[in-house]
Amino acid sequence: KQEVTQIPAALSVPEGENLVLNCSFTDSAIYNLQWFRQDPGKGLTSLLLIQSSQREQTSGRLNASLDKSSGRSTLYIAASQPGDSATYLCAVDTSGSARQLTFGSGTQLTVLP
Amino acid sequence: DAGITQSPRYKITETGRQVTLMCHQTWSHSYMFWYRQDLGHGLRLIYYSAAADITDKGEVPDGYVVSRSKTENFPLTLESATRSQTSVYFCASSESLLAGGVRNEQFFGPGTRLTVL
Repeated sequence: KQEVTQIPAALSVPEGENLVLNCSFTDSAIYNLQWFRQDPGKGLTSLLLIQSSQREQTSGRLNASLDKSSGRSTLYIAASQPGDSATYLCAVDTSGSARQLTFGSGTQLTVLP
Repeated sequence: DAGITQSPRYKITETGRQVTLMCHQTWSHSYMFWYRQDLGHGLRLIYYSAAADITDKGEVPDGYVVSRSKTENFPLTLESATRSQTSVYFCASSESLLAGGVRNEQFFGPGTRLTVL
């Protein structure tokens, strides 16, 4: 059974700092990995999707990498801003599963002004 | 506006009552999903649908019923609500599979916060 772990569970950084969020998964037979952002009391906003054949994806100040063989992904946020404060979730779509995304428990990010 | 909507956004009900949560998407996506989010368990798939009239169970389907008579709607019914079904429910949708088994990203609705007393 696929298991997804996110470390750290919470992170607090000063504004302007570059930071890395980590995601690891136990079954490397995945179709893709997706990073989401969730604001308190809100739904999930898709940030980046990396297909299993890709190594990284970029969108603005966000860069996500995928190392399928080692079961790891990182989300890099450049020049963090207070508006980046949210919970970041990674989810994997595992081969053979019924299109079920397996989610990590998230990293709660606080960017201090 | 285009997108995925859920109703109601908040619902309080009593144990044993039937409750239906609605989900509507305007993208004509083939796939639709229902997840629940709970502290300590994260997000878990309840049911999903690959197309109209095609549904299948996810990780935690017990106590829930779904239907999909139209592509754009995917209602979730709790036939006899229990306290353990107190949760935040998210609907999601995705385009159909691409060639070569490539899967598209899932887009989520704003959620329904359900409390069962």
